[in-house]
Amino acid sequence: NAGVTQTPKFRILKIGQSMTLQCTQDMNHNYMYWYRQDPGMGLKLIYYSVGAGITDKGEVPNGYNVSRSTTEDFPLRLELAAPSQTSVYFCASSPRDRVDFGPGTRLLVL
Amino acid sequence: DAKTTQPTSMDCAEGRAANLPCNHSTISGNEYVYWYRQIHSQGPQYIIHGLKNNETNEMASLIITEDRKSSTLILPHATLRDTAVYYCIVRVPEARSINTGTASKLTFGTGTRLQVML
Repeated sequence: NAGVTQTPKFRILKIGQSMTLQCTQDMNHNYMYWYRQDPGMGLKLIYYSVGAGITDKGEVPNGYNVSRSTTEDFPLRLELAAPSQTSVYFCASSPRDRVDFGPGTRLLVL
Repeated sequence: DAKTTQPTSMDCAEGRAANLPCNHSTISGNEYVYWYRQIHSQGPQYIIHGLKNNETNEMASLIITEDRKSSTLILPHATLRDTAVYYCIVRVPEARSINTGTASKLTFGTGTRLQVML
């Protein structure tokens, strides 16, 4: 298993641009999560999903959208990038009792 | 999810045991204690978790007090590669919340920055 994979690894966006952060897991996990981590801070939950077709907001959902059309994929969409969205984004998935994280996507909005 | 309290930073000599404490005095009966670590800017790495019994795996040991209000993560022989931020988290795992269709999210605090020294 490749585990949780994220693309791209790094991206620079201009203010107002949009992009999709991709997240895929090949472990058939039902639960998936998106977190962001600002410099020197802990992780904050953006959105999560308990299965295909089901998503819910986390602690900091504003400015983001997600979809979960398959068990494997959980993309995160930024519609109008803002400097406040400069962060490292981590996708994660869970089988039954632990959460496994991907390597992260570093996003810089200028 | 219950809140946790951890020291901001700790030092440990290489080869020695690193004992990282965590207080979780408001933990509820169905919440487990989880430990994760984050090395530099990598994704958090799962270490261990437990409910009330002590647990051990290839990475670490977890000691939970009888009243479950505190726990200690033990790295038996710390190496330089164990330098990281360690997070103690209490939560209900997905397997225990499956019937409600909700997930008990991991809530990360600021953790303990462990520096392993030569």
